[in-house]
Amino acid sequence: DSGVTQTPKHLITATGQRVTLRCSPRSGDLSVYWYQQSLDQGLQFLIQYYNGEERAKGNILERFSAQQFPDLHSELNLSSLELGDSALYFCASSSSSGNTIYFGEGSWLTVV
Amino acid sequence: AQRVTQPEKLLSVFKGAPVELKCNYSYSGSPELFWYVQYSRQRLQLLLRHISRESIKGFTADLNKGETSFHLKKPFAQEEDSAMYYCALTGTSYGKLTFGQGTILTVHP
Repeated sequence: DSGVTQTPKHLITATGQRVTLRCSPRSGDLSVYWYQQSLDQGLQFLIQYYNGEERAKGNILERFSAQQFPDLHSELNLSSLELGDSALYFCASSSSSGNTIYFGEGSWLTVV
Repeated sequence: AQRVTQPEKLLSVFKGAPVELKCNYSYSGSPELFWYVQYSRQRLQLLLRHISRESIKGFTADLNKGETSFHLKKPFAQEEDSAMYYCALTGTSYGKLTFGQGTILTVHP
């Protein structure tokens, strides 16, 4: 157990809908990262937050947004969903020194 | 731009045979390199970091800056090593890991 928890584990939704994925980082970790894993694109970095503020942005679509709350948990919001958004979404966290990144078990999103 | 290349999508070996998973990178500065392992679409687990120079589950990896490589090696593969292996690097923006496409290792009995 890495200590990073993600909910829900599985989610099936229809095209055009909006979903929210939630992540609780390891206790004490200030940084949260979101990654998307799909068959065609592999593992792609989406976005990083550090202590509530956006730190780095990757290949995140405009239809997607994220935030990190004062209690350090994070949410990834995916809207106007398309079939191609079906993927495994990982959250990861690291401490302020950032020397090791720990991944959660992921949220499986299926868009039908 | 930083990039990680894992040239082999699939790698099959027999139990007890040596295994080497290749990883090449491009980065203009001094990157930090990692190997992550993923069993059956579960979470990614850190296997190795180049700066710690440790051996985990019999795996080792040496950073070769001249060849910009960070190949993962194990002298005697075990069936439980069957998994997806990802090479990754991070540069100045610590934590933003850039992953390779992954190599699926299958170890046959």
